[in-house]
Amino acid sequence: DAGVIQSPRHEVTEMGQEVTLRCKPISGHDYLFWYRQTMMRGLELLIYFNNNVPIDDSGMPEDRFSAKMPNASFSTLKIQPSEPRDSAVYFCASSFGQRTDTQYFGPGTRLTVL
Amino acid sequence: SQQGEEDPQALSIQEGENATMNCSYKTSINNLQWYRQNSGRGLVHLILIRSNEREKHSGRLRVTLDTSKKSSSLLITASRAADTASYFCATDNAGNMLTFGGGTRLMVKP
Repeated sequence: DAGVIQSPRHEVTEMGQEVTLRCKPISGHDYLFWYRQTMMRGLELLIYFNNNVPIDDSGMPEDRFSAKMPNASFSTLKIQPSEPRDSAVYFCASSFGQRTDTQYFGPGTRLTVL
Repeated sequence: SQQGEEDPQALSIQEGENATMNCSYKTSINNLQWYRQNSGRGLVHLILIRSNEREKHSGRLRVTLDTSKKSSSLLITASRAADTASYFCATDNAGNMLTFGGGTRLMVKP
């Protein structure tokens, strides 16, 4: 199995631009999580899906952030417009069975907003 | 607020020594997990211990859980330079959500 796949691995953009991060979870997993990691705030859960349905988006910082999961094998996290404070590493993770079971993380997308 | 908090925040040891990291949490849990994160990589699951278990082993890893003290420890025996990474504990709030602590940064010097 290829594991969780994220793209791009690195993204550098200018303030105000739209950013789209992509994730392909492990086949058969029914939970998908988006996290943000910074030195100051650690690992924060932004949103998670169960069977493609968004369950809890209370961690999404602002309306500038949105996430979709159109099918079981693809999810996007979009930031529009982006700001320098959005600079972080964004991780996608998936799991099977229960939301508190083992999570499998992707390699992350390092986002830099200038 | 974070459910699990690791201690120490940073640890530096020589290769061959044992490394012990601790995790304390606040509310009752169903399970506690430990993850490793190498620099520039995603988190990797190491071990899961359930609330009715007291100790678990996996290779050079030993995890203990004391539910009365709401704490867990991760012991890495005979450490290697390749063990250099950040280690996170993750707890579920009695089945609600998995919450990650701030991590312990371990450096193993060759």
